[in-house]
Amino acid sequence: NAGVTQTPKFQVLKTGQSMTLQCAQDMNHNSMYWYRQDPGMGLRLIYYSASEGTTDKGEVPNGYNVSRLNKREFSLRLESAAPSQTSVYFCASSPTTGSELFFGEGSRLTVL
Amino acid sequence: QQQVKQSPQSLIVQKGGISIINCAYENTAFDYFPWYQQFPGKGPALLIAIRPDVSEKKEGRFTISFNKSAKQFSLHIMDSQPGDSATYFCAASRRDTDKLIFGTGTRLQVFP
Repeated sequence: NAGVTQTPKFQVLKTGQSMTLQCAQDMNHNSMYWYRQDPGMGLRLIYYSASEGTTDKGEVPNGYNVSRLNKREFSLRLESAAPSQTSVYFCASSPTTGSELFFGEGSRLTVL
Repeated sequence: QQQVKQSPQSLIVQKGGISIINCAYENTAFDYFPWYQQFPGKGPALLIAIRPDVSEKKEGRFTISFNKSAKQFSLHIMDSQPGDSATYFCAASRRDTDKLIFGTGTRLQVFP
């Protein structure tokens, strides 16, 4: 049972480049999330999706877009990467609203 | 605006000692307060959670104490072990939303 799988695990971009972080869960969960983790800032919610076909902004959505492709997959896109987006990105899923989050192992992104 | 304030930022405890991490929140509508544990290179994982209808919840060596009037909650780790060395995050949300807001994290080191 893989749980929450994120790809890629590591990525280096130049300022202005675009990329998509992929996330898939095999637990049949309804809700999915993208967080970023920065030293001293904790985990901050970027976007979330309460169900297939819906997405909502979190605390720090600027510079990002998301797609809930189907119940299993939730992708995060950076259209024009900036150095301020250097971070570790975590995808998570949960069975229902307000329940335990299950996290992936993270994707470390560096923007030069 | 930091909705969930966590302290201390780091904590060093001797094996067998008690580790205490504190969190304070601002939004009185929050009604779900989990603690997550994160080991290096891994995603966070749920450790223990509490709802405001009780003042304390204990699971093994881990206890959450909750003070609704003060809008504070804390994690106590009894008989701390080197294997408890990790980063701990408190979090808070409303039961009817998917927006789980995390604190900034506490790095715990337990020395033998």
